[in-house]
Amino acid sequence: DIVMTQSPLSLPVTPGEPASISCRSSQSLLHSNGYNYLTWYLQKPGQSPQLLISLGSDRASGVPDRFSGSGSGTDFTLKISRVEAEDVGVFYCMQALQTPPYSFGQGTKLEIK
Amino acid sequence: EVQLVESGGGLVKPGGSLRLSCAASGFTFSIYSMIWVRQAPGKGLEWVSFISSSSSYISYADSVKGRFTISRDNAKKSLYLQMSSLRAEDTAVYYCARVDSVLSSIDPWGQGTLVTVSS
Repeated sequence: DIVMTQSPLSLPVTPGEPASISCRSSQSLLHSNGYNYLTWYLQKPGQSPQLLISLGSDRASGVPDRFSGSGSGTDFTLKISRVEAEDVGVFYCMQALQTPPYSFGQGTKLEIK
Repeated sequence: EVQLVESGGGLVKPGGSLRLSCAASGFTFSIYSMIWVRQAPGKGLEWVSFISSSSSYISYADSVKGRFTISRDNAKKSLYLQMSSLRAEDTAVYYCARVDSVLSSIDPWGQGTLVTVSS
């Protein structure tokens, strides 16, 4: 099974400042079709997870463009260009190449300083 | 609006059983694979089970294999999770979610239903 590792696990950020979360997979998530099967989710406090980015870099409908995904193979990054108060929550990466099983990272908790 | 609504959670004693349901609306349920994901209190996300659109392929996490059974009724647009031989470590919020095979993503997720296993 593919193991997903996120860092940092806690991320205090000042509003308006950028933020970056790293996600590494134990195996390459690059498919022969050229897409990276890596997905990002945000779970806001008291809510269920919501899709942010699929296929490594495709923002889901309605997701603000301050969120961007990048990377390939085994190393991926989620960047927030300017953090807003509504971005508070836990971010998860998930591999979608060899499913099932679906494996998630441990989660990165973003909090406002 | 695409919506998933779970029900059936509650307090159950160790060794007991519980059946969770997930009602789907706003999309053609019969053509989508579905999954269950759980989240223990204060913990991360753990995939539990997968079922293909026609129920021809089913898979379970090792932690629940032999104890949980996933099923669906496409006519009723409903997904189920029969849980038996429940343990304290099964205590979690259980989410049902739709699998988007094109984008290889899980979206949307239901609001979740809490299962508490305690004597």
